[in-house]
Amino acid sequence: AQSVTQLGSHVSVSEGALVLLRCNYSSSVPPYLFWYVQYPNQGLQLLLKYTSAATLVKGINGFEAEFKKSETSFHLTKPSAHMSDAAEYFCAVSGGAQKLVFGQGTRLTINP
Amino acid sequence: GAVVSQHPSRVICKSGTSVKIECRSLDFQATTMFWYRQFPKQSLMLMATSNEGSKATYEQGVEKDKFLINHASLTLSTLTVTSAHPEDSSFYICSAAPTSGGSQETQYFGPGTRLLVL
Repeated sequence: AQSVTQLGSHVSVSEGALVLLRCNYSSSVPPYLFWYVQYPNQGLQLLLKYTSAATLVKGINGFEAEFKKSETSFHLTKPSAHMSDAAEYFCAVSGGAQKLVFGQGTRLTINP
Repeated sequence: GAVVSQHPSRVICKSGTSVKIECRSLDFQATTMFWYRQFPKQSLMLMATSNEGSKATYEQGVEKDKFLINHASLTLSTLTVTSAHPEDSSFYICSAAPTSGGSQETQYFGPGTRLLVL
């Protein structure tokens, strides 16, 4: 079975500051891990994914995430926040059977 | 690539009527599609897994007779909310996983359908 915990339902950073969104997972099998972004009243857009290749994964819009098996973490980072990054972010895990388990989401607010 | 569309994007209906939502993978084939429901300020809740050419697999607590799913082709799945009631008002999102091409583990999401039942 898989589960995901996103620490912090709401994160607020200043424009230009580092963005760090935390995600810890639990999986009984080697996991596939994903980060999705959702803008208001829209579906989810894939930011990046880990599928057992490189542990540091680079995604779109300058985001990246590092898979740390020892910490069961897959935190999302971006060196410099932009106003357009304000959105809801979801971490998700699957055990390879395609079914995704989502975290509760983190709302990112960017302060000018 | 990997574009998924949903239609309609927004629908308002009267209580007791049925509503059909379409989910299409535009540039890839998808043996498996998924239907989610999302309440305001909450995460996505998986309702069912739609398999092309076979019956859908429903999650626990989801009424299969109320939420009818049909996956008649490799690019189209439909969700019909039968005898809709106000408590069915929600944001419904579909996703599709490519049948081939090396990304079978990845789900690509549609833009969602906002359903309001009066």
